[in-house]
Amino acid sequence: QKEVEQDPGPLSVPEGAIVSLNCTYSNSAFQYFMWYRQYSRKGPELLMYTYSSGNKEDGRFTAQVDKSSKYISLFIRDSQPSDSATYLCAMSPFLYNQGGKLIFGQGTELSVKP
Amino acid sequence: GAGVSQSPRYKVAKRGQDVALRCDPISGHVSLFWYQQALGQGPEFLTYFQNEAQLDKSGLPSDRFFAERPEGSVSTLKIQRTQQEDSAVYLCASSSNTGGGEKLFFGSGTQLSVL
Repeated sequence: QKEVEQDPGPLSVPEGAIVSLNCTYSNSAFQYFMWYRQYSRKGPELLMYTYSSGNKEDGRFTAQVDKSSKYISLFIRDSQPSDSATYLCAMSPFLYNQGGKLIFGQGTELSVKP
Repeated sequence: GAGVSQSPRYKVAKRGQDVALRCDPISGHVSLFWYQQALGQGPEFLTYFQNEAQLDKSGLPSDRFFAERPEGSVSTLKIQRTQQEDSAVYLCASSSNTGGGEKLFFGSGTQLSVL
């Protein structure tokens, strides 16, 4: 079983829909939780960054972390065709002075139809 | 430059050839990571440098994989005697921090195809 599980999709929604993306994990040492967006033939781009449990909002994007359930979510409101991409969750334990090695989920491919 | 730069963008190798992939991190970034991304999968950690020191190479799949960052800036990932299973996108990322929870900035990757 992988440390981080993510439904690969693909997920197709109409423009304006609310999108919910999720990941579960097994390692209770994870402290930092991130969402990356990856367009085709590009590298991952950091979208949301959260430390420990709680919610974080940035424009149309909301990230939620529930450490008790080992479950994280990304919500996209008023989805746009330009949101069509692969969304990767990523997690990291706190490793002082050893770098921030990230463990990624498989990625969910999202398509927003006009 | 403004971002992480990787070259070449695409590399085709015959099985058994050696390849070298280059990464130019964001200027001043202390931490540098290499990841391998297979088709339809998330990136998987290969190795980590803090300046010129390779602090973690636990993700390198075999002794055919070797990475270096001799002056603490540009890094090279070398794969000897390439095999078909080495075909993947190799991503480089850099960060200005050295502690946990770093925000990584990725390059566009080198797509390696081994025939």
